[in-house]
Amino acid sequence: RKEVEQDPGPFNVPEGATVAFNCTYSNSASQSFFWYRQDCRKEPKLLMSVYSSGNEDGRFTAQLNRASQYISLLIRDSKLSDSATYLCVVNMRSSNTGKLIFGQGTTLQVKP
Amino acid sequence: DADVTQTPRNRITKTGKRIMLECSQTKGHDRMYWYRQDPGLGLRLIYYSFDVKDINKGEISDGYSVSRQAQAKFSLSLESAIPNQTALYFCATSDVKGGNNQPQHFGDGTRLSIL
Repeated sequence: RKEVEQDPGPFNVPEGATVAFNCTYSNSASQSFFWYRQDCRKEPKLLMSVYSSGNEDGRFTAQLNRASQYISLLIRDSKLSDSATYLCVVNMRSSNTGKLIFGQGTTLQVKP
Repeated sequence: DADVTQTPRNRITKTGKRIMLECSQTKGHDRMYWYRQDPGLGLRLIYYSFDVKDINKGEISDGYSVSRQAQAKFSLSLESAIPNQTALYFCATSDVKGGNNQPQHFGDGTRLSIL
């Protein structure tokens, strides 16, 4: 089982739609979580951190469910510019590493 | 100016050649990383360094070596390039607070093709 798993998609949605992505992680000791956005042939960029209480940034809402070991990203009122790959990232902390593990990414295509 | 700069941005070379990819940062972060990205496989960690004297293998370090010359510089070498090392390579940096890795900041990437 992969340490961080995402549905690769693609998710094809019309403008204005609401879309949600889930990501599951295998290590219950994981401590911090992030969503990154990556445009085609570009570098990944931090979209938002995911806090235990959930957090919202404009049209984007991130949630964490530790009991079920998944995080989610909800995008409301999708824009054409939201088309990208969304990477789920988990901090697998141990005594001397603290590495980030990246999911494969979920591709979103927003259509006019 | 970019906070994390990778050179070169693109490189085409032949099998067996030695190649060095360079990364420099102005963010003042102690932690630096090299990843490769292949279609369908996502980002995979090659090597990482938590300070100048610290070098650690990632999940796919075979065929690669690194050098952390200074806090701001982390270079990746392919001693004898082979075609399956053709990929998009990213350097990243991060800060650490309370023992937790903060979000990573990526360079623009180096597109490497081995013929």
